[in-house]
Amino acid sequence: NAGVTQTPKFQVLKTGQSMTLQCAQDMNHEYMSWYRQDPGMGLRLIHYSVGAGITDQGEVPNGYNVSRSTTEDFPLRLLSAAPSQTSVYFCASSTSPSIGTLHPVSLHFGNGTRLTVT
Amino acid sequence: GENVEQHPSTLSVQEGDSAVIKCTYSDSASNYFPWYKQELGKRPQLIIDIRSNVGEKKDQRIAVTLNKTAKHFSLHITETQPEDSAVYFCAASLDTGNTGKLIFGQGTTLQVKP
Repeated sequence: NAGVTQTPKFQVLKTGQSMTLQCAQDMNHEYMSWYRQDPGMGLRLIHYSVGAGITDQGEVPNGYNVSRSTTEDFPLRLLSAAPSQTSVYFCASSTSPSIGTLHPVSLHFGNGTRLTVT
Repeated sequence: GENVEQHPSTLSVQEGDSAVIKCTYSDSASNYFPWYKQELGKRPQLIIDIRSNVGEKKDQRIAVTLNKTAKHFSLHITETQPEDSAVYFCAASLDTGNTGKLIFGQGTTLQVKP
């Protein structure tokens, strides 16, 4: 059980290039999300998905696309990279509480992708 | 939309002292408030959380308090140890946190000096 796996760990892009950050989870979690982390700004939600075929925008969606064709995978696409997208990107997954308990289930984060756009 | 403010941005304490980090939120409908700890170069991990129908929750040396009227919640760490040094994030959710849609504060860097 690997949890949430993100690839690549590091990436350098030139302005205008496109790329896809991969995220896969093997816990059968229905909920997946992408956050970016910048110094002094915490973690900001980019996009999230409540199940296969369903995605929605978070706080900072501009410049990013997502799709959720399977429960396991939630790739994040940068269509035309900009220096403002230099950041650490975290993918996370979660699931509904078990029947009989109302306690929320915590986010499981991947190890992150450090992206630099020059 | 929801907005979460976190203070202070940095906090330095002596080992054994207590540390308190405070967060305020803007949307009174928020109902779930987790705290995450992120060690240098690692992923954030949940350390404690509280739902809106509870005023206080404690887990060994850490506790969280919630004041719904004032729309603020706090993390309390007692008897701090060097391994508590990390960045701490508070967050708020409008859907009990189930969908993974959290709004995070800006983070507090805690340094515990031996």
